[in-house]
Amino acid sequence: EVQLVESGGGLVKPGGSLRLSCAASRFTFSTYTMSWVRQAPGKGLEWVSSISSGSNYIYYADSLKGRFTISRDNAKNSLYLQMNSLRADDTAVYYCARVIVGATTRNFDYWGQGTLVTVSS
Amino acid sequence: SYVLSQPPSVSVAPGKTARITCGGDDIRSKSVHWYQHQKPGQAPVLVIYDDTDRPSGIPERFSGSNSGNTATLTISWVEAGDEADYYCQVWGTNDDHPVFGGGTKLTVL
Repeated sequence: EVQLVESGGGLVKPGGSLRLSCAASRFTFSTYTMSWVRQAPGKGLEWVSSISSGSNYIYYADSLKGRFTISRDNAKNSLYLQMNSLRADDTAVYYCARVIVGATTRNFDYWGQGTLVTVSS
Repeated sequence: SYVLSQPPSVSVAPGKTARITCGGDDIRSKSVHWYQHQKPGQAPVLVIYDDTDRPSGIPERFSGSNSGNTATLTISWVEAGDEADYYCQVWGTNDDHPVFGGGTKLTVL
């Protein structure tokens, strides 16, 4: 079955940076759009960013204001999220998810277990 | 941006039917997807996609509908293991952003 394993989370001070990784296996990673979705403590799911299979199309949630950068390495079957200028409200579990692209919609058919990012002094 | 509204909580006795709604302006014109999330730190699971379809491995007890301004996830013969948070999701209007509802906590009494 499809496997997505996130890593790189941890405790970081406000203003700091962190790079998350997602290792994908058991599917042809290079042919799928991928996304990051986060969940703050006690809150719901919030989409963060998406990247197309060839990295040609990249989208971010408006709330991020240029602080995050999504990327991928298809040779390594890996997805990344570079997070800069971190704030307390970025504290969340970050999930990597595979995207199924339809004619007029998209959904997330597989998710990882998530990695916790805590921003605190 | 497009807004999805879900009730914060739904309670149901074992063996009964749970219905979780997802409201949005003319939501019938969109494809609605549903996720089950049992605990933070666990992987969410897609249970319904494109309004009514079930991924492989999802029990037939899970079904979906979409009409007017409301989409509904129906769970028949509810079991204790169905207790979880459920989220609806659509692809937003005029942008390439997915939108999630606020989530509904299903409690099995």
